[in-house]
Amino acid sequence: LAKTTQPISMDSYEGQEVNITCSHNNIATNDYITWYQQFPSQGPRFIIQGYKTKVTNEVASLFIPADRKSSTLSLPRVSLSDTAVYYCLVGGKKYGNKLVFGAGTILRVKS
Amino acid sequence: NAGVTQTPKFQVLKTGQSMTLQCAQDMNHNSMYWYRQDPGMGLRLIYYSASEGTTDKGEVPNGYNVSRLNKREFSLRLESAAPSQTSVYFCASSDERVRNTIYFGEGSWLTVV
Repeated sequence: LAKTTQPISMDSYEGQEVNITCSHNNIATNDYITWYQQFPSQGPRFIIQGYKTKVTNEVASLFIPADRKSSTLSLPRVSLSDTAVYYCLVGGKKYGNKLVFGAGTILRVKS
Repeated sequence: NAGVTQTPKFQVLKTGQSMTLQCAQDMNHNSMYWYRQDPGMGLRLIYYSASEGTTDKGEVPNGYNVSRLNKREFSLRLESAAPSQTSVYFCASSDERVRNTIYFGEGSWLTVV
């Protein structure tokens, strides 16, 4: 399995850009990188997914370098409501759909 | 479109009692999962089912059994509940056609006393 490593926690202020990096050194050729957001007392929800280079949607951007051994989730101009746990997940059919989450990053946004 | 539905939402059990958590998805996904999340901790995979008729152990399968009843339903059974199984349980499903994006249910809060 592609093990992932993220910072345990990060603090930010409203209006700032936040970048959360995930390390996945043994990512396989066919693996995609997916980021999820979890609020307290809720199940995680999909934020963004990518394979290489840069992906952007209405919520975030995902930057993946050429070697794909890491990825960075970028949240532009965060607000208090972005306070949550963020997980990066690497997986694919190689692992028979055994999708294992890492510890995640607790993001605290302050006013 | 309900997505992933879990029942019950809350349950209190006595040590040694048994119970089954039910999960159903209406997205026609092949893969389904059960995760547990202890307070302040991350998600841990208990069991998963890559397709109807198959089940496999995840990271923490001890004390649990699962049944993939059909493509829609995936149940989790605690045969003899223990206080260490107090946790929030999340059922999920994924669509490998969309690179295994996972969709989660709202969670089931289980307390074993």
